[in-house]
Amino acid sequence: DAKTTQPNSMESNEEEPVHLPCNHSTISGTDYIHWYRQLPSQGPEYVIHGLTSNVNNRMASLAIAEDRKSSTLILHRATLRDAAVYYCILRDEGQNFVFGPGTRLSVLP
Amino acid sequence: GAGVSQTPSNKVTEKGKYVELRCDPISGHTALYWYRQSLGQGPEFLIYFQGTGAADDSGLPNDRFFAVRPEGSVSTLKIQRTERGDSAVYLCASSLGPGQPQHFGDGTRLSIL
Repeated sequence: DAKTTQPNSMESNEEEPVHLPCNHSTISGTDYIHWYRQLPSQGPEYVIHGLTSNVNNRMASLAIAEDRKSSTLILHRATLRDAAVYYCILRDEGQNFVFGPGTRLSVLP
Repeated sequence: GAGVSQTPSNKVTEKGKYVELRCDPISGHTALYWYRQSLGQGPEFLIYFQGTGAADDSGLPNDRFFAVRPEGSVSTLKIQRTERGDSAVYLCASSLGPGQPQHFGDGTRLSIL
């Protein structure tokens, strides 16, 4: 079973910021939060990951709640190429990724 | 540089047949993973190799599924006596090591008629 909960779908307008939420209330103290995205007909692509502090890279920012029970992936200016399924992922006891169904992001021109 | 390569990109076969799916990881990546993805779902973990050995095969659904990585590079996922329920996209990923970001191929779409 997925250890994270995400909305099934979201919409954004092009060039506007997007905030993709994720709940992970059962997260353990050593679990990293990983985000991947999957464009149509492609394999998933790494976006960002973090443990406690907020993280930034060239693709996105990751804001992690102080209690670590939720996080938000932030795309600062959505483009049409950002339309994808976004997965928020934790590892299971065997340290393997457990993907849920993710959030399907649509970007409107 | 070259990413993870999976062949074939599509495979159609009849129920009961044997299939092999190949994965060429990124050079130097010691960790290799296989996943299965059904329509509308996220990828489901199947097996993880560290080097030549299967470090975790707990995701393989039954004994019809088997995977090898004999030289610590290319891996082959083998499915015997295929069933219609095996139809899915099979994804391979590699990483520099356990815990590092995974790089995925575009998958093999397997269709069992």
